[in-house]
Amino acid sequence: SAVISQKPSRDICQRGTSLTIQCQVDSQVTMMFWYRQQPGQSLTLIATANQGSEATYESGFVIDKFPISRPNLTFSTLTVSNMSPEDSSIYLCSVKQGPYEQYFGPGTRLTVT
Amino acid sequence: QKEVEQNSGPLSVPEGAIASLNCTYSDRGSQSFFWYRQYSGKSPELIMSIYSNGDKEDGRFTAQLNKASQYVSLLIRDSQPSDSATYLCAVNPPAGTALIFGKGTTLSVSS
Repeated sequence: SAVISQKPSRDICQRGTSLTIQCQVDSQVTMMFWYRQQPGQSLTLIATANQGSEATYESGFVIDKFPISRPNLTFSTLTVSNMSPEDSSIYLCSVKQGPYEQYFGPGTRLTVT
Repeated sequence: QKEVEQNSGPLSVPEGAIASLNCTYSDRGSQSFFWYRQYSGKSPELIMSIYSNGDKEDGRFTAQLNKASQYVSLLIRDSQPSDSATYLCAVNPPAGTALIFGKGTTLSVSS
């Protein structure tokens, strides 16, 4: 499976600021996704990062709050904008390899104070 | 709305026992099904995938799929304390590209 890295691994941020999370994959992948996992909860899909075009957002998530870039087939960024304590979560990058299987990066643990 | 349902647990089993984890899904057209293991503080790790009705075995793990009943299960034989984790069921809906996850079942194996 692909090796996926994320930066930063964790951060503590102040309310009202923004944080950009990077996801790097060691091989080219067509499908990349961003998920959020709030404390004690399961994974919620934020968006599909499309290479060369705008991301596709799930219901409840908007581009102004979670802008995503996908400049090539190995890299994506997710920005969490104008943060509030409710944004405290683990943010996970995921890639699809082959037609079905998805793999996850190590995650970014974000705490907003 | 596409849904994946799991009992949240915790499911507690003694070491050496069989742990049985269950999952149901709402979209009858779903074609691929997965089990992930997530240790506390870590990201989900893919441990089993199943695409057709019946059983699929991999070491101590067996995944079972019944599409007519829209039911997926994971059996862990000879459970070990190291199996203590949250197990997430995930489904690929027919028109979707990303997996939909259940809330997970927490398994505790006592020695």
